[in-house]
Amino acid sequence: GAVVSQHPSRVICKSGTSVKIECRSLDFQATTMFWYRQFPKQSLMLMATSNEGSKATYEQGVEKDKFLINHASLTLSTLTVTSAHPEDSSFYICSARGGRGNTEAFFGQGTRLTVV
Amino acid sequence: AQKITQTQPGMFVQEKEAVTLDCTYDTSDPSYGLFWYKQPSSGEMIFLIYQGSYDQQNATEGRYSLNFQKARKSANLVISASQLGDSAMYFCAMRDNNAGNMLTFGGGTRLMVKP
Repeated sequence: GAVVSQHPSRVICKSGTSVKIECRSLDFQATTMFWYRQFPKQSLMLMATSNEGSKATYEQGVEKDKFLINHASLTLSTLTVTSAHPEDSSFYICSARGGRGNTEAFFGQGTRLTVV
Repeated sequence: AQKITQTQPGMFVQEKEAVTLDCTYDTSDPSYGLFWYKQPSSGEMIFLIYQGSYDQQNATEGRYSLNFQKARKSANLVISASQLGDSAMYFCAMRDNNAGNMLTFGGGTRLMVKP
């Protein structure tokens, strides 16, 4: 299957700082990337959908000014958690799809964010 | 609106036995895809198996098979010959092919394989 690389896998930051998470498709062009958030013992909740070269579409209840998404190229999307607070601590995971007829969504390894 | 339901929050299975993880879905769209993912404690999402709504036969991938019953809107995952390494969270997901291709996930089932 295709490879999606997410970095960093784990980050601890101070309250009030910003954290950038990268999601890269290594061997295919990802026209669409998805960002999910997962709280402990819960399922994945879609935060936003980003298409290369256009603004991300955010799900209801997700603050676009807090979770900045940039999908500047066909192989890279970034999620920046701005002015992080302890309640932003969570597991963030991206997935990528490429082109028409692709039947799988490939996931990155996930990023565990802890805000102290 | 889509909805995915996994009614088993946790399940035990004896090593080498088969186990079925339930998944039901609800959609009014005729074109959709159903996925199963495995999430070990490390957090990564591992793709297991896919079933398209128009596929005539049940999908199989090694020890994984999908019992697709379209009229009942169920897509249960069957794992044969369970191994200790199968212990993990399992998520069923549905992709609506007409709504941006995003995945909607069920609540997950934690499978524990007993030696």
